[in-house]
Amino acid sequence: DADVTQTPRNRITKTGKRIMLECSQTKGHDRMYWYRQDPGLGLRLIYYSFDVKDINKGEISDGYSVSRQAQAKFSLSLESAIPNQTALYFCATSDRDSSSTDTQYFGPGTRLTVL
Amino acid sequence: TQLLEQSPQFLSIQEGENLTVYCNSSSVFSSLQWYRQEPGEGPVLLVTVVTGGEVKKLKRLTFQFGDARKDSSLHITAAQPGDTGLYLCAGDPLGDSWGKLQFGAGTQVVVTP
Repeated sequence: DADVTQTPRNRITKTGKRIMLECSQTKGHDRMYWYRQDPGLGLRLIYYSFDVKDINKGEISDGYSVSRQAQAKFSLSLESAIPNQTALYFCATSDRDSSSTDTQYFGPGTRLTVL
Repeated sequence: TQLLEQSPQFLSIQEGENLTVYCNSSSVFSSLQWYRQEPGEGPVLLVTVVTGGEVKKLKRLTFQFGDARKDSSLHITAAQPGDTGLYLCAGDPLGDSWGKLQFGAGTQVVVTP
């Protein structure tokens, strides 16, 4: 089984709809992240959480919200979806290792299309 | 604004050729990572470099971190079709941004038989 899972894998929705993307991990990591990937722009950080009680905005948090329900679960919501939120969304986890680097482990992604 | 600039954006080569991908920034990073992403999957870590001037080898892949820890390169020797993918560099900034990786836009590599 995959260590980081995302649901759904694909979603098509209409402008104005509320959407929730879910992420679960079995790696036991404290840190979790949500990114979006757009062609030519790479991965951009939306929100991150360093533990269950810690939620922080990333560089592109407008229009998004998150919930850290447990160490293993981190959900991303689009309260009112708009077409420019069409993108590939990735959840990632990490845990600071002994060398103080921050390796991130990514889920398989959710392809979201907003019509 | 992209803190990390990757070049080229796209690279198409024949099997057996060599290639180099560059990752440049004006910022200093505590470490720099290279990931490879295949269609329908998330990025997977290839290597982390930490020390300025460091060189790491992973089979036919050679990674180098610049002396000033602002840039890095990935060199693939005798490329194979299995090397096809999107290569992403990611820097771990110094200071209070620690742990929030900055990603480059990626280099799409296509190796044809």
